[in-house]
Amino acid sequence: TQLLEQSPQFLSIQEGENLTVYCNSSSVFSSLQWYRQEPGEGPVLLVTVVTGGEVKKLKRLTFQFGDARKDSSLHITAAQPGDTGLYLCAGGKGNTPLVFGKGTRLSVIA
Amino acid sequence: NAGVTQTPKFQVLKTGQSMTLQCAQDMNHEYMSWYRQDPGMGLRLIHYSVGAGITDQGEVPNGYNVSRSTTEDFPLRLLSAAPSQTSVYFCASWKRIGRMNTEAFFGQGTRLTVV
Repeated sequence: TQLLEQSPQFLSIQEGENLTVYCNSSSVFSSLQWYRQEPGEGPVLLVTVVTGGEVKKLKRLTFQFGDARKDSSLHITAAQPGDTGLYLCAGGKGNTPLVFGKGTRLSVIA
Repeated sequence: NAGVTQTPKFQVLKTGQSMTLQCAQDMNHEYMSWYRQDPGMGLRLIHYSVGAGITDQGEVPNGYNVSRSTTEDFPLRLLSAAPSQTSVYFCASWKRIGRMNTEAFFGQGTRLTVV
C-alpha cells in the first residue's frame, strides 16, 4: 500500500523554467522529508518539515507542508541541469519507519 | 566518516541460491531498515528494526530474513533467490527525536540480479 502519492511521475523541462512536485496522502504524518537521488547512489536528504503550514527554502527550492500535515510540495525556481534527479518524499509517523512515495523523475534540459 | 556501508555493491545469483547482504552503520542510530527499489515503484520497505534484538516486517517481507544482534549491523538474508527479487537494495539508518525522524542515511545500494 503506497501511502504517499507523488505527482507528476516524470517531468522534463527546459533550463530556467519553474516547476512544482506534489506529495499527497490520506494519512497524517508527524514529519515529512524530501530526498534527492542520483543514479547509482542512495537518496540524500534535502529537507524535513514538521509543522503544518511550514515553508522552508533551500536556495532555489521551496518546500511546503500542508496545514493538515497530509501533503507537501516542492517548488523549484529557474531549474538548472544540476537539478536533474529523482525526488522522493517520505513520511514518518509513530514508531514506524519512513514510508516513501514512488518519486518524481526530473530532467532539466540545457 | 563511513555512515552506512553496504556490501556487496553488485551480485548475480542463480535461482535457489541464498546470500546475505551486509549493512553496517557507525552513527549509533536506533532505527535501521531495508528497502528495495524497482523501476516505477519507489522504495518499498522489506524489514526494519527499532533497536538491537527487535525487528519487524515491512510491506514486502516474503523471501527475506533479518536479524539485529548489534546496534551497528543489520544483515538481510535471501533464503532462496528468485528472479522476482532482482532489484536494487538499500539499507538506511536514522534516529528519532521526539516525534520527528532525523535525516535517514542510506548506503550506496546493492544491485542484485537473479538469473
